Amino acid sequence: SQKIEQNSEALNIQEGKTATLTCNYTNYSPAYLQWYRQDPGRGPVFLLLIRENEKEKRKERLKVTFDTTLKQSLFHITASQPADSATYLCALGGPRGSTLGRLYFGRGTQLTVWP
Amino acid sequence: GAGVSQSPSNKVTEKGKDVELRCDPISGHTALYWYRQSLGQGLEFLIYFQGNSAPDKSGLPSDRFSAERTGGSVSTLTIQRTQQEDSAVYLCASSLRQREQFFGPGTRLTVL
Repeated sequence: SQKIEQNSEALNIQEGKTATLTCNYTNYSPAYLQWYRQDPGRGPVFLLLIRENEKEKRKERLKVTFDTTLKQSLFHITASQPADSATYLCALGGPRGSTLGRLYFGRGTQLTVWP
Repeated sequence: GAGVSQSPSNKVTEKGKDVELRCDPISGHTALYWYRQSLGQGLEFLIYFQGNSAPDKSGLPSDRFSAERTGGSVSTLTIQRTQQEDSAVYLCASSLRQREQFFGPGTRLTVL
């Protein structure tokens, strides 16, 4: 079965630096990959979606890369702010051609940005 | 409403009792998902609805768990004869086809 690993459970960085979160997966070929943010006591909030034929996607201070050969996605937050502190979840979509929309979630990386 | 809503927000029950959790998806979203999240764990998929049918119910952990969706809208997740290991946050999400999922705030279930 597929396995998803997100780098370290916790990442602490200083305000203004770039946070880089890693998502690795095995035994699977997703047609797309998504990143979500989750704050304590709340449901996840969608951030970005990247498809298997895309190398990079950007949205404001966020950037996602997707390397299907390495089976890895990197999620970057540039010019990080304390308000970026949250848990970030990587989620794999269905394989190409699948009509099922379920997502396979990693356990998440807890990011703390200190002033 | 504008987002996905779930009720109740918190539910405390005794072992062996049945519980019903409700999800109101975003209007017009044809796909609806149930996940559960235990403390320190990732989201565990339970069941997926497309319209009123459930083409993927592979994540339901046992036959004590069931779900239905009516009118292509509201969904109810039912857990019979609850066990302590059922304690978790149950999250519902809706989407348009295979795109981003919009999550509700979750129902925190505690089985004593």
